[in-house]
Amino acid sequence: SQQGEEDPQALSIQEGENATMNCSYKTSINNLQWYRQNSGRGLVHLILIRSNEREKHSGRLRVTLDTSKKSSSLLITASRAADTASYFCATDIAGNKLTFGGGTRVLVKP
Amino acid sequence: EPEVTQTPSHQVTQMGQEVILRCVPISNHLYFYWYRQILGQKVEFLVSFYNNEISEKSEIFDDQFSVERPDGSNFTLKIRSTKLEDSAMYFCASSESRGRDLASPLHFGNGTRLTVT
Repeated sequence: SQQGEEDPQALSIQEGENATMNCSYKTSINNLQWYRQNSGRGLVHLILIRSNEREKHSGRLRVTLDTSKKSSSLLITASRAADTASYFCATDIAGNKLTFGGGTRVLVKP
Repeated sequence: EPEVTQTPSHQVTQMGQEVILRCVPISNHLYFYWYRQILGQKVEFLVSFYNNEISEKSEIFDDQFSVERPDGSNFTLKIRSTKLEDSAMYFCASSESRGRDLASPLHFGNGTRLTVT
């Protein structure tokens, strides 16, 4: 079993629409983080949400965390073509490393 | 904004050769990591490093791999005898803090694409 699995694996939307992706995990976590990766580039941190938090916002990004269901969601509102990227959730179990999921590839069509 | 820099951006090597991948973490960060991503697959943890020693390593990080912080600014990953399956993007990352209540985000470099022929 994998710690941190995103759903869907791929998402195609029109510019201006919202994009939602989900992450499920198996074990209790210290925090959960979302990262973006543009093709061929490094990962860029988006949001960190701690296990005692339920929701966080950053600009057009909204992250929720449900520890009872061991799941998190990332919502991108009013998407733009520049949001086209892969999005990864990563779980921090013991505060010493991140375990990444397989990612959601998001394509925002102009 | 400070960033993690990695060199080279692309390294081609023959099977059995040694390679050293280099990273300059953000200067006030204390925790350092190497991850790799085989094309189209997950980002996999290799090793974490703190206070001049390995904190944790994955099953991937076998005796062929080693890390070093030789001079207080560089952080290197050495693969002693490369195999075809070592072909991947290797990412260096650093963070300011970690721990249950202090964990901070990882800052990643843009990676080194290693191709083993």
